Amino acid sequence: AQTVTQSQPEMSVQEAETVTLSCTYDTSENNYYLFWYKQPPSRQMILVIRQEAYKQQNATENRFSVNFQKAAKSFSLKISDSQLGDTAMYFCAFMKLGGSQGNLIFGKGTKLSVKP
Amino acid sequence: DSGVTQTPKHLITATGQRVTLRCSPRSGDLSVYWYQQSLDQGLQFLIQYYNGEERAKGNILERFSAQQFPDLHSELNLSSLELGDSALYFCASSVDQRSTGELFFGEGSRLTVL
Repeated sequence: AQTVTQSQPEMSVQEAETVTLSCTYDTSENNYYLFWYKQPPSRQMILVIRQEAYKQQNATENRFSVNFQKAAKSFSLKISDSQLGDTAMYFCAFMKLGGSQGNLIFGKGTKLSVKP
Repeated sequence: DSGVTQTPKHLITATGQRVTLRCSPRSGDLSVYWYQQSLDQGLQFLIQYYNGEERAKGNILERFSAQQFPDLHSELNLSSLELGDSALYFCASSVDQRSTGELFFGEGSRLTVL
């Protein structure tokens, strides 16, 4: 079975600074996706960034980028130029591809507070 | 706005009761997923339907059941409710499970069991 571990329950960062959220996962699969989802106080889950396991290049979406280390099974999220609106719970998630199991396996989340 | 609609947004009920949560997926999405988010268990996958058929099952209790109708909306039925069933229940949808891998989430239904 796959597991996702986020070792930082809470983090804080000053506005305009850079912060990195950690995520490790365990799987025997070779084909999968990894995601970072954001859950602001409004509680809706919002996709931040996605990484296909077969791609060596790290995904980037504006101020958000990942450091994907497949051999180490590590998938960290870097937020540059942090903004107050980035305050939220961040969840790392794994999705196996192929077969009939398409569900997401989530980590416990990291609560990020951006301070003015 | 993700395009996924969930009703009701909030629901308060008593132990032993039964409730139904409803989800309308994004237009064109064939897969619907149900997730439960609680403080102690985090986000857990419950069940997936694809075009009306059950496709995958996660940590769904026997007291819970779901279905997807011909118009692709889905309902999650929770019966014999217990205090521990209090949680945020999310519905998500995708075109299918093998496309981009991206799920689109609704705003959730907050269930409180007293």
